[in-house]
Amino acid sequence: QAVLTQPPSASGTPGQRVTIFCSGTRSNIGSNTVNWYQQLPGTAPKLLIYSNNQRPSGVPDRFSGSKSGTSASLAISGLQSEDETDYYCAAWDDSLNGPVFGGGTKVTVL
Amino acid sequence: EVQLAESGGGLVQPGGSLRLSCAATKFTFSNYAFIWVRQAPGKGLEWVSYISSTSRTIYYADSVKGRFTISRDNAKNSLYLQMNRVRDEDAAVYYCARVLPGDWGAFDLWGQGTMVTVSS
Repeated sequence: QAVLTQPPSASGTPGQRVTIFCSGTRSNIGSNTVNWYQQLPGTAPKLLIYSNNQRPSGVPDRFSGSKSGTSASLAISGLQSEDETDYYCAAWDDSLNGPVFGGGTKVTVL
Repeated sequence: EVQLAESGGGLVQPGGSLRLSCAATKFTFSNYAFIWVRQAPGKGLEWVSYISSTSRTIYYADSVKGRFTISRDNAKNSLYLQMNRVRDEDAAVYYCARVLPGDWGAFDLWGQGTMVTVSS
């Protein structure tokens, strides 16, 4: 069972905006920054958003992140077919002394 | 090219041992902390272990504590995971990943993964 809570699925039509929420506790999201990973089938995860809302070089600005209290969200605007894959939220957990992940959200482009 | 490359995965019997390696290229390995993350088939990501740049700080997930040992050799630009007393539930793809300085939960460089299969 994942420590952070994400919906198992989300969907939208091309061009739409899709938002994925991630819920945690005071010891993880409430105390540390949130990061998001994109994982294409059969490949390693890729850092998509770090420090709540920062994009690594090369990540399109269609992807944005935010955090409030013990929850965070990832928004994908202008949804494209290549965005159809799995997304994971993560944060360091001060109680567990390690990073914790969400269970993952599979985004489907209708 | 800046990259991480895992090796050492394979078939191991329950109760057996396996040593995973992660080789780093084209960046200053000794400046970074690293983690091991695993992913069972069809499942999500699970953190396994963390090691700081100097090896002074090491953490383990409860699920592997006392059985797995993380280590590194900065002279060889390599990270290791010694897996002992392996269980069925340890079967997964194991990834090594580099920790983004200043954000312990952000991993900006990942290896391609190495598969560990547990079977008698």
